[in-house]
Amino acid sequence: DVKVTQSSRYLVKRTGEKVFLECVQDMDHENMFWYRQDPGLGLRLIYFSYDVKMKEKGDIPEGYSVSREKKERFSLILESASTNQTSMYLCASSRIQNRGQETQYFGPGTRLLVL
Amino acid sequence: GNSVTQMEGPVTLSEEAFLTINCTYTATGYPSLFWYVQYPGEGLQLLLKATKADDKGSNKGFEATYRKETTSFHLEKGSVQVSDSAVYFCAFTSSNTGKLIFGQGTTLQVKP
Repeated sequence: DVKVTQSSRYLVKRTGEKVFLECVQDMDHENMFWYRQDPGLGLRLIYFSYDVKMKEKGDIPEGYSVSREKKERFSLILESASTNQTSMYLCASSRIQNRGQETQYFGPGTRLLVL
Repeated sequence: GNSVTQMEGPVTLSEEAFLTINCTYTATGYPSLFWYVQYPGEGLQLLLKATKADDKGSNKGFEATYRKETTSFHLEKGSVQVSDSAVYFCAFTSSNTGKLIFGQGTTLQVKP
C-alpha cells in the first residue's frame, strides 16, 4: 500500500513565524503536491513537483515556498505565517502514467492554526 | 476556465437509501474523472475513476459513468450505510497540465 505521511496532524503557530510542513511518501513516486483545503472551496493546489529539485506553482502559491531535495520528501514552507493561512494542508503523490490519468495518494493532512 | 460543480451538502439519508451526488465539469480536451472520499479525520482516498467517455467507474458499491455529452460524472450507490458518512469530492485532471481540479466537496451523513 502507498503510504504518504505528514509530520504533524495539528500545529499552532503565531503570526510571523516560519512554518515547515513535511511530507514523505514511500512508493518512489515522481510527482508530489501540496494542497490546502478550506470549507466551501474544496482543495486548491499550492505547489507541485515532478522531480527532485523541480517545483512548479499551482493556483495559490503566494505566501508559500517548497523544497524537494530528495525524491521521497516534499516540504511546504510558510516564510512568515499569517492568519489567512489557517487551513488544512494536504500532501499527495503520484506516479507518472499517461498524462492526466495518475491517481493521487493523499496524506492524513495537517491542520494549521495561525494566531 | 476549468471547474467542477458539485451539489451542495450536507446530504442526509437514512441507512439503505439510494444516493446520488451530482457532479458536472467544465474542461478543455478529454479529462480523466475521479471521485475521492474523505472519512472523518483522514486524508482523501480514491473511490473510483473513469478515463474516457462512457466508462463506468465502480468501487465499494459506488458507481459513476463518464458522460461526455452532458459533461457529468454523477456518483450513485443503491443502498448507503452509516460507514459511508464522509465528504465526497469530484475531480478531473486537465489533459494538458495533468493537474487535478476539485469540486468543493459534498458532505454525506447517513443515519441508522
